[in-house]
Amino acid sequence: DAGITQSPRHKVTETGTPVTLRCHQTENHRYMYWYRQDPGHGLRLIHYSYGVKDTDKGEVSDGYSVSRSKTEDFLLTLESATSSQTSVYFCAISTGQLANEKLFFGSGTQLSVL
Amino acid sequence: SQQGEEDPQALSIQEGENATMNCSYKTSINNLQWYRQNSGRGLVHLILIRSNEREKHSGRLRVTLDTSKKSSSLLITASRAADTASYFCATDEGNNFNKFYFGSGTKLNVKP
Repeated sequence: DAGITQSPRHKVTETGTPVTLRCHQTENHRYMYWYRQDPGHGLRLIHYSYGVKDTDKGEVSDGYSVSRSKTEDFLLTLESATSSQTSVYFCAISTGQLANEKLFFGSGTQLSVL
Repeated sequence: SQQGEEDPQALSIQEGENATMNCSYKTSINNLQWYRQNSGRGLVHLILIRSNEREKHSGRLRVTLDTSKKSSSLLITASRAADTASYFCATDEGNNFNKFYFGSGTKLNVKP
């Protein structure tokens, strides 16, 4: 999986609790992304990062925050998990260079909020 | 949202037949990409076509792009059972070639 590790792989939590998902890369790529995948919606961009401490919102960022204090780690936090955030979360990385824009994906985190 | 739409949502064919799936998007782009996802796994990049290209080939894959219609198609020739997967198109934001949006996907089933 192109040097991308997501943790945990599976998580069950209760409504109202905070949850942090971690994405770790060994490729030293500049760009990192968080997507969620739900049936009928494909993948939707939550947040992405274009460098250490540089992040931007995606199309479904409400209820999520991110942090990137090191090149290799991109954290996604659900401050107070809701049942609507039950989903599969994918991290992806990219070099960010024109002519090499493709994404490499991690294996995903299955999150269930009860 | 730039999110594209794939058509059809599901496609079932016999091994050896060709499979065609389509993608439409909303705003101008720099490039369009196609990805494949096997059940429960992460997506894998298949092919990228730039906005100034009309057609591109890679092995059994053929991609076309019509920017005037804001649409693309992916053709898989001589399909195999191993091609069974979901296929997604992804577009950038036009003014940001590093911000990617995905469509809802086409689920392809190739029967042996």
